[in-house]
Amino acid sequence: DTGVSQDPRHKITKRGQNVTFRCDPISEHNRLYWYRQTLGQGPEFLTYFQNEAQLEKSRLLSDRFSAERPKGSFSTLEIQRTEQGDSAMYLCASNRFSGGNTDTQYFGPGTRLTVL
Amino acid sequence: TQLLEQSPQFLSIQEGENLTVYCNSSSVFSSLQWYRQEPGEGPVLLVTVVTGGEVKKLKRLTFQFGDARKDSSLHITAAQPGDTGLYLCAGHIYNQGGKLIFGQGTELSVKP
Repeated sequence: DTGVSQDPRHKITKRGQNVTFRCDPISEHNRLYWYRQTLGQGPEFLTYFQNEAQLEKSRLLSDRFSAERPKGSFSTLEIQRTEQGDSAMYLCASNRFSGGNTDTQYFGPGTRLTVL
Repeated sequence: TQLLEQSPQFLSIQEGENLTVYCNSSSVFSSLQWYRQEPGEGPVLLVTVVTGGEVKKLKRLTFQFGDARKDSSLHITAAQPGDTGLYLCAGHIYNQGGKLIFGQGTELSVKP
């Protein structure tokens, strides 16, 4: 396993700009999750996919946020019209769902977003 | 309202001391996981506990899942400077899908 990879690792943008992050899960993992983590806090769930289907979205995910997983492999998270409050670490995780929700999630290194 | 309350949030101890971190909830968890996170990196899994009352040991780390599956603890014996980092508990709430609910984290600093 090469592990979960995320790109870019760091992104600095100006308020109002759009940004897109990519996550490549561990191969053959059918579930992919996005979380957001602000400084000094634990990660907060944003959304997750099983294959191509987006199964759940958090109320934290405003209309400016959209996530896709078009072929059931990699996923993208786009933030439109970024705000300073969007500054955070965006974490991606994946696992192989085998019928129970106890399956371990494996995290990528994260994308650190700074909105100026 | 935090679904998973983790305490303490900060802990600074001397090398060789013991410590315990707690995670508590009013919700029942189908599983609970402990992660360790280094600055600028993603969380790395330490252990998963699934059965109420379960105890797992990983070298100097002991993890316990409460009988009612609403709480968990992490105990470190004879802490070392290499144990320094952010410790996170996280779990799947029973019947609420695949998302993980995280505690606030415990920032541990072990001084030589």
